[in-house]
Amino acid sequence: DTGVSQDPRHKITKRGQNVTFRCDPISEHNRLYWYRQTLGQGPEFLTYFQNEAQLEKSRLLSDRFSAERPKGSFSTLEIQRTEQGDSAMYLCASSPGGRGNNQPQHFGDGTRLSIL
Amino acid sequence: SQKIEQNSEALNIQEGKTATLTCNYTNYSPAYLQWYRQDPGRGPVFLLLIRENEKEKRKERLKVTFDTTLKQSLFHITASQPADSATYLCALDPSGNTPLVFGKGTRLSVIA
Repeated sequence: DTGVSQDPRHKITKRGQNVTFRCDPISEHNRLYWYRQTLGQGPEFLTYFQNEAQLEKSRLLSDRFSAERPKGSFSTLEIQRTEQGDSAMYLCASSPGGRGNNQPQHFGDGTRLSIL
Repeated sequence: SQKIEQNSEALNIQEGKTATLTCNYTNYSPAYLQWYRQDPGRGPVFLLLIRENEKEKRKERLKVTFDTTLKQSLFHITASQPADSATYLCALDPSGNTPLVFGKGTRLSVIA
């Protein structure tokens, strides 16, 4: 179990630029989640996948955000035309999956995004 | 509206004492409730999970209770140690393997 890996760990960019983050889940996990966390708050759900299918998107996910999981393995989260309010920690988590059979989520250490 | 509250932003306790953290929720009927630990600059780490039909769950020095009538979960760390200092997050899972809804967390400091 190598754990959930996120890249990069830190990203500093100017307002208006596009950024892309990558998440590599635990290899046998079907479910992959993206969350966003700001200082002093708990993680907030953004979107999640079952294999390559995107099952749900939060209302927090504006049309500037897009996520993919093309082969059901790694996932990318892209933010276009970044704004100051996008500054946050972006967390990825994975779980084995299977609805109704609750399993804990395994989190990566996140990508910290700072918008100048 | 739906709300989850962890009613202490910060909790300081003496080493060796029992820490008790509270999670209250409104307008949810979660099937599962989970507790996570988060250290600064790191992702949350899973600690315990409890189902709606379970009253209590234990793991080593940790204990979680789940009262669906009161809509409350209590998280206990017995014989606390300075290494237990971290932020503890309560999370609801509405129906199993669905996205988690987190509280803001409680920052626990165990003082030697």
